[in-house]
Amino acid sequence: ERVMTQSPDTLSVSPGDRVNLSCRASQSVSSGLAWYQQKPGRAPRLLIYSVSTRAIGIPARFSGSGSGTEFTLTISSLQSEDFAIYYCQQYDNWPLTFGQGTRLEIK
Amino acid sequence: QVQLQESGPGLVKPSETLSLTCTVSGDSISPYYWSWLRQAAGKGLEWIGRIHPTGDTVYNPSLKSRLTMSKETSKNQISLKLTSVTAADTAVYYCARETQVSGQRWFDFWGHGTLVTVSS
Repeated sequence: ERVMTQSPDTLSVSPGDRVNLSCRASQSVSSGLAWYQQKPGRAPRLLIYSVSTRAIGIPARFSGSGSGTEFTLTISSLQSEDFAIYYCQQYDNWPLTFGQGTRLEIK
Repeated sequence: QVQLQESGPGLVKPSETLSLTCTVSGDSISPYYWSWLRQAAGKGLEWIGRIHPTGDTVYNPSLKSRLTMSKETSKNQISLKLTSVTAADTAVYYCARETQVSGQRWFDFWGHGTLVTVSS
């Protein structure tokens, strides 16, 4: 099983900040990496798949990068609606696995 | 617009079977892959299993011995059965559609989730 580890667990940031969220895989997941955003009481929402491809309707301030075992989700200028929990997920290998999440909170 | 709605008992007794249904509207379930996932309170997401357009299934090894997924195309529904439940199975259960293109796959539509509590 590929273990996905995200860092940090929580990040205190301000609107307008640029943030980088990290995701590390225990073994290579090639390009099989997606990012999801989840707000309280809501289902996750797909942001990015295939490491760097934005899903339909996702603003350009969200971008993904990385390869192999190290991946990053970047939000170029935080908006108020971006305060949420972000999960990375690998789909290169069964079972599909998620990171534990990074919570973005308002500083 | 594709919509997914999970349904089933909100309370299940320990050692009994948890049964959930996901009803899909706005598109046929036939050509797609469908997964169940769950999330315990304050915890991350756990993938439970997947059913293919063919009806084949892939399960999380951690749950495989207790898990059955099926689909009923005429009703546009996906079902999950998890036997011998314990308190550790208490979670919000989601169904999600998986789109797969050229080896890449992603969960593009999700249900709202349904809370299942295991308690006597």
